[in-house]
Amino acid sequence: GESVGLHLPTLSVQEGDNSIINCAYSNSASDYFIWYKQESGKGPQFIIDIRSNMDKRQGQRVTVLLNKTVKHLSLQIAATQPGDSAVYFCAETPGFSGAGSYQLTFGKGTKLSVIP
Amino acid sequence: KAGVTQTPRYLIKTRGQQVTLSCSPISGHRSVSWYQQTPGQGLQFLFEYFSETQRNKGNFPGRFSGRQFSNSRSEMNVSTLELGDSALYLCASSLGSGTGNTEAFFGQGTRLTVV
Repeated sequence: GESVGLHLPTLSVQEGDNSIINCAYSNSASDYFIWYKQESGKGPQFIIDIRSNMDKRQGQRVTVLLNKTVKHLSLQIAATQPGDSAVYFCAETPGFSGAGSYQLTFGKGTKLSVIP
Repeated sequence: KAGVTQTPRYLIKTRGQQVTLSCSPISGHRSVSWYQQTPGQGLQFLFEYFSETQRNKGNFPGRFSGRQFSNSRSEMNVSTLELGDSALYLCASSLGSGTGNTEAFFGQGTRLTVV
């Protein structure tokens, strides 16, 4: 079946550097792509999303890039801080039909460790 | 505003027993989704409820069921527990109104251990 996956299971970066977390997806029908951050003992926290008709979206210190040609999604974190240490998941959803049905397919996750 | 509340936080059950987990969504949110998180399988979608109706269901056996009440609170039930059901069960709350808002708010989860 189709799934969303991640290229790198772990990533270590120096504090202050930029981080890039990658994700590959295979469902070409996906309409929304979302990045979540999960800290130890907590549920996933929404970071940023992007719709399939966009190729870039920026938030506060984060940028999501979508390349539909190669079905690739990335999350860039600028000036990485110790508080960014967590597991990051990409997720996709086919979108919303009518009443907005909501079903997320998650990737396996990438653990980001920030070195002070 | 108050976040998503899941109870209990931790639970230990014996194989063959059944368990009920509860989720109170954010006030005004009508969609509640449930996910199972395990180290091996990651986060997997169980089902989604909107206005007391199951709108979507993942690929889990019939032992996993749920319901939603008129106040949007939701429960999920697992019957005849198996060791493999040990997991973190997460509930996500969202508007679910088809506005294109993809932001789902997750609770802290219920850690279920089956022994």
